[in-house]
Amino acid sequence: NAGVTQTPKFRVLKTGQSMTLLCAQDMNHEYMYWYRQDPGMGLRLIHYSVGEGTTAKGEVPDGYNVSRLKKQNFLLGLESAAPSQTSVYFCASTPGETQYFGPGTRLLVL
Amino acid sequence: DQQVKQNSPSLSVQEGRISILNCDYTNSMFDYFLWYKKYPAEGPTFLISISSIKDKNEDGRFTVFLNKSAKHLSLHIVPSQPGDSAVYFCAASRYGGSSNTGKLIFGQGTTLQVKP
Repeated sequence: NAGVTQTPKFRVLKTGQSMTLLCAQDMNHEYMYWYRQDPGMGLRLIHYSVGEGTTAKGEVPDGYNVSRLKKQNFLLGLESAAPSQTSVYFCASTPGETQYFGPGTRLLVL
Repeated sequence: DQQVKQNSPSLSVQEGRISILNCDYTNSMFDYFLWYKKYPAEGPTFLISISSIKDKNEDGRFTVFLNKSAKHLSLHIVPSQPGDSAVYFCAASRYGGSSNTGKLIFGQGTTLQVKP
């Protein structure tokens, strides 16, 4: 039982490049979330999903897209990376109350 | 508009003493509150939670107090240990609503340093 895993752990992008962050959970949770953490800002919700095939915008969705084609996976895409998207990205899942987080993906956009 | 605020960016205490971390919220519809602990280069881990129908919840060295009238919650760690040094986030949610999405609103975090 691996819990919540994230791929990759670290990535450097050039401005304008695209990439996809993968989140996987093996706990059969319905709800999944993508957050970004920036210094002094706490964790801010980017997008979330309340079930397979559904997605919704969070607090800071601009510049990101998501997909939940399978219940266990939640993908976060950056179509054209910008330096403002330099951050640490966390994925989380929950069956209803307590959210369980992955280890994070550190992204640097030059 | 910051709905959940942790006004102290950092806190330093001596080993064995009490650590008190504070959190304020503005939305009276929040009915569930959580504390998460985060070590560097790791994801946040769940520490303790409290429902709005309670005013106190204990788990070992950790106790969370909720004052609904003041829209304030606090986390007490007694006794504090060096291994407790981490960033602590409080979070709030509306689980009782008809359209529950499980979303959490996080505070900015407080960095706790426990000195040996």
